[in-house]
Amino acid sequence: GNSVTQMEGPVTLSEEAFLTINCTYTATGYPSLFWYVQYPGEGLQLLLKATKADDKGSNKGFEATYRKETTSFHLEKGSVQVSDSAVYFCALNRYGQNFVFGPGTRLSVLP
Amino acid sequence: EAGVAQSPRYKIIEKRQSVAFWCNPISGHATLYWYQQILGQGPKLLIQFQNNGVVDDSQLPKDRFSAERLKGVDSTLKIQPAKLEDSAVYLCASSTLVRIDEQYFGPGTRLTVT
Repeated sequence: GNSVTQMEGPVTLSEEAFLTINCTYTATGYPSLFWYVQYPGEGLQLLLKATKADDKGSNKGFEATYRKETTSFHLEKGSVQVSDSAVYFCALNRYGQNFVFGPGTRLSVLP
Repeated sequence: EAGVAQSPRYKIIEKRQSVAFWCNPISGHATLYWYQQILGQGPKLLIQFQNNGVVDDSQLPKDRFSAERLKGVDSTLKIQPAKLEDSAVYLCASSTLVRIDEQYFGPGTRLTVT
Protein backbone atom coordinates (compact mmCIF):
# COMPACT_ATOMS: atom_id res chain seq x y z
CA GLY A 1 0.00 0.00 0.00
CA ASN A 2 0.89 3.66 -0.09
CA SER A 3 2.92 5.08 2.80
CA VAL A 4 4.91 8.14 3.85
CA THR A 5 7.95 8.23 6.11
CA GLN A 6 9.30 11.40 7.73
CA MET A 7 12.32 12.16 9.83
CA GLU A 8 11.59 11.96 13.52
CA GLY A 9 11.36 15.13 15.53
CA PRO A 10 11.47 17.28 17.33
CA VAL A 11 13.79 19.42 15.29
CA THR A 12 15.14 22.42 17.19
CA LEU A 13 16.90 25.22 15.32
CA SER A 14 18.06 28.74 15.99
CA GLU A 15 16.46 31.58 14.06
CA GLU A 16 17.96 32.04 10.56
CA ALA A 17 19.26 28.45 10.44
CA PHE A 18 18.78 26.23 7.39
CA LEU A 19 15.96 23.70 7.60
CA THR A 20 15.63 20.29 6.00
CA ILE A 21 12.86 17.83 6.88
CA ASN A 22 13.21 14.54 5.06
CA CYS A 23 10.24 12.75 3.50
CA THR A 24 10.20 9.54 1.48
CA TYR A 25 7.22 7.71 0.09
CA THR A 26 6.08 4.36 -1.22
CA ALA A 27 3.33 4.36 -3.81
CA THR A 28 2.27 2.72 -7.02
CA GLY A 29 1.97 4.92 -10.03
CA TYR A 30 2.51 8.65 -9.88
CA PRO A 31 1.11 10.29 -6.77
CA SER A 32 0.90 13.99 -6.03
CA LEU A 33 3.01 15.04 -3.05
CA PHE A 34 2.21 17.63 -0.40
CA TRP A 35 3.52 19.37 2.66
CA TYR A 36 0.98 20.50 5.24
CA VAL A 37 1.73 22.63 8.30
CA GLN A 38 -0.16 22.60 11.60
CA TYR A 39 0.34 25.58 13.92
CA PRO A 40 -0.52 25.15 17.60
CA GLY A 41 -4.27 24.90 18.15
CA GLU A 42 -5.10 25.02 14.45
CA GLY A 43 -5.99 22.62 11.68
CA LEU A 44 -3.67 21.57 8.89
CA GLN A 45 -2.89 24.07 6.14
CA LEU A 46 -1.53 23.24 2.72
CA LEU A 47 2.00 24.61 2.50
CA LEU A 48 3.05 23.43 -0.96
CA LYS A 49 2.56 20.63 -3.45
CA ALA A 50 4.04 19.00 -6.55
CA THR A 51 2.12 16.86 -8.98
CA LYS A 52 4.81 15.25 -11.15
CA ALA A 53 8.44 14.25 -11.15
CA ASP A 54 10.98 17.11 -10.97
CA ASP A 55 8.29 19.65 -10.07
CA LYS A 56 9.27 22.08 -7.33
CA GLY A 57 6.62 23.34 -4.94
CA SER A 58 7.30 26.56 -3.09
CA ASN A 59 5.53 28.87 -0.65
CA LYS A 60 6.54 31.31 2.13
CA GLY A 61 10.23 30.57 1.55
CA PHE A 62 9.75 26.80 1.79
CA GLU A 63 10.62 24.53 -1.14
CA ALA A 64 10.37 20.84 -1.96
CA THR A 65 11.27 18.98 -5.16
CA TYR A 66 9.51 15.80 -6.32
CA ARG A 67 12.30 13.26 -6.83
CA LYS A 68 10.93 10.11 -8.37
CA GLU A 69 14.32 8.38 -8.60
CA THR A 70 14.76 8.58 -4.82
CA THR A 71 11.01 8.63 -4.00
CA SER A 72 11.58 11.72 -1.88
CA PHE A 73 10.03 15.14 -1.27
CA HIS A 74 12.28 16.84 1.26
CA LEU A 75 11.17 20.20 2.70
CA GLU A 76 13.76 23.01 2.86
CA LYS A 77 13.94 26.62 3.98
CA GLY A 78 17.01 28.76 3.85
CA SER A 79 16.38 30.85 6.97
CA VAL A 80 13.77 29.83 9.52
CA GLN A 81 11.90 32.20 11.81
CA VAL A 82 10.34 31.71 15.23
CA SER A 83 6.93 31.90 13.52
CA ASP A 84 7.77 28.73 11.54
CA SER A 85 7.49 26.67 14.73
CA ALA A 86 4.83 24.09 13.96
CA VAL A 87 4.29 20.45 13.00
CA TYR A 88 4.97 19.61 9.36
CA PHE A 89 3.25 16.69 7.60
CA CYS A 90 4.31 15.13 4.33
CA ALA A 91 1.47 13.50 2.41
CA LEU A 92 0.66 11.82 -0.87
CA ASN A 93 -2.49 11.43 -2.89
CA ARG A 94 -3.36 9.51 -5.99
CA TYR A 95 -6.36 10.55 -8.00
CA GLY A 96 -9.38 8.63 -6.82
CA GLN A 97 -7.65 7.49 -3.66
CA ASN A 98 -7.37 8.98 -0.21
CA PHE A 99 -4.62 11.09 1.26
CA VAL A 100 -1.90 9.27 3.17
CA PHE A 101 -0.10 11.39 5.76
CA GLY A 102 3.24 10.89 7.42
CA PRO A 103 3.50 11.02 11.23
CA GLY A 104 4.58 14.67 11.29
CA THR A 105 7.78 16.41 12.34
CA ARG A 106 7.67 19.03 15.08
CA LEU A 107 9.89 22.07 14.45
CA SER A 108 10.87 24.47 17.21
CA VAL A 109 12.74 27.63 16.26
CA LEU A 110 14.49 29.48 19.08
CA PRO A 111 15.14 33.24 18.98
CA GLU B 1 -14.20 33.24 2.53
CA ALA B 2 -15.06 31.50 5.79
CA GLY B 3 -13.07 28.38 6.61
CA VAL B 4 -14.18 24.98 7.83
CA ALA B 5 -15.95 25.32 11.17
CA GLN B 6 -15.96 22.65 13.85
CA SER B 7 -17.49 22.39 17.30
CA PRO B 8 -16.87 21.81 20.08
CA ARG B 9 -13.13 22.50 20.19
CA TYR B 10 -12.59 20.35 23.25
CA LYS B 11 -14.55 17.52 24.87
CA ILE B 12 -13.84 15.34 27.87
CA ILE B 13 -16.02 12.28 28.47
CA GLU B 14 -15.85 9.03 30.38
CA LYS B 15 -15.53 5.71 28.60
CA ARG B 16 -18.79 4.17 27.48
CA GLN B 17 -20.39 7.63 27.10
CA SER B 18 -21.43 9.01 23.74
CA VAL B 19 -20.21 12.15 21.98
CA ALA B 20 -20.98 14.04 18.78
CA PHE B 21 -18.91 16.44 16.70
CA TRP B 22 -20.19 18.95 14.18
CA CYS B 23 -18.59 20.27 11.02
CA ASN B 24 -19.62 22.97 8.57
CA PRO B 25 -17.50 22.92 5.39
CA ILE B 26 -16.53 25.80 3.14
CA SER B 27 -19.52 26.99 1.14
CA GLY B 28 -19.72 25.20 -2.20
CA HIS B 29 -17.43 22.33 -1.25
CA ALA B 30 -19.18 19.12 -2.19
CA THR B 31 -16.67 16.76 -0.61
CA LEU B 32 -16.30 16.45 3.16
CA TYR B 33 -13.85 14.32 5.13
CA TRP B 34 -13.54 13.25 8.76
CA TYR B 35 -10.05 12.35 10.00
CA GLN B 36 -8.81 10.95 13.30
CA GLN B 37 -5.42 12.25 14.45
CA ILE B 38 -3.94 10.37 17.37
CA LEU B 39 -1.18 12.18 19.26
CA GLY B 40 2.13 11.84 17.45
CA GLN B 41 0.58 10.47 14.26
CA GLY B 42 -0.68 11.89 11.00
CA PRO B 43 -4.39 12.17 10.25
CA LYS B 44 -6.17 8.97 9.27
CA LEU B 45 -9.27 9.15 7.10
CA LEU B 46 -12.43 7.85 8.77
CA ILE B 47 -15.07 8.72 6.19
CA GLN B 48 -15.49 10.72 2.99
CA PHE B 49 -18.77 12.19 1.74
CA GLN B 50 -19.57 13.52 -1.70
CA ASN B 51 -22.63 15.71 -1.30
CA ASN B 52 -24.74 13.58 1.06
CA GLY B 53 -23.47 10.19 -0.13
CA VAL B 54 -20.67 8.13 1.41
CA VAL B 55 -17.67 7.61 -0.91
CA ASP B 56 -15.36 5.77 1.49
CA ASP B 57 -15.94 4.58 5.05
CA SER B 58 -13.60 1.60 4.95
CA GLN B 59 -11.62 2.77 8.01
CA LEU B 60 -14.61 3.82 10.11
CA PRO B 61 -15.17 1.51 13.14
CA LYS B 62 -18.82 1.05 12.36
CA ASP B 63 -19.63 -0.76 15.57
CA ARG B 64 -19.20 2.51 17.48
CA PHE B 65 -18.71 5.35 15.01
CA SER B 66 -21.37 6.83 12.75
CA ALA B 67 -21.51 9.90 10.54
CA GLU B 68 -24.11 11.66 8.48
CA ARG B 69 -24.40 14.56 6.08
CA LEU B 70 -28.11 14.73 5.53
CA LYS B 71 -28.47 17.85 3.37
CA GLY B 72 -25.08 17.69 1.71
CA VAL B 73 -23.73 20.59 3.75
CA ASP B 74 -22.82 20.19 7.41
CA SER B 75 -21.98 16.87 8.99
CA THR B 76 -22.04 15.12 12.35
CA LEU B 77 -19.68 12.40 13.58
CA LYS B 78 -20.81 10.35 16.57
CA ILE B 79 -19.06 7.88 18.84
CA GLN B 80 -21.16 5.55 20.97
CA PRO B 81 -19.88 4.11 23.25
CA ALA B 82 -16.48 5.75 23.53
CA LYS B 83 -13.31 3.85 24.41
CA LEU B 84 -10.06 5.12 25.87
CA GLU B 85 -8.31 4.62 22.53
CA ASP B 86 -10.71 7.07 20.87
CA SER B 87 -8.83 9.94 22.53
CA ALA B 88 -7.61 11.98 19.57
CA VAL B 89 -8.20 15.13 17.56
CA TYR B 90 -11.03 14.76 15.07
CA LEU B 91 -10.45 16.86 11.99
CA CYS B 92 -12.98 17.82 9.36
CA ALA B 93 -11.85 18.87 5.90
CA SER B 94 -13.59 19.85 2.69
CA SER B 95 -12.76 20.24 -0.98
CA THR B 96 -14.42 20.93 -4.30
CA LEU B 97 -15.24 18.06 -6.63
CA VAL B 98 -12.65 19.07 -9.19
CA ARG B 99 -9.84 19.90 -6.74
CA ILE B 100 -9.96 16.98 -4.34
CA ASP B 101 -6.18 17.26 -4.02
CA GLU B 102 -6.64 20.55 -2.15
CA GLN B 103 -8.33 19.91 1.16
CA TYR B 104 -9.08 22.66 3.65
CA PHE B 105 -9.03 21.63 7.29
CA GLY B 106 -10.95 22.87 10.27
CA PRO B 107 -9.29 23.47 13.66
CA GLY B 108 -10.36 20.06 14.98
CA THR B 109 -12.07 18.77 18.10
CA ARG B 110 -9.79 17.39 20.80
CA LEU B 111 -11.49 14.44 22.51
CA THR B 112 -10.24 13.04 25.79
CA VAL B 113 -11.81 9.79 27.03
CA THR B 114 -11.14 9.03 30.71
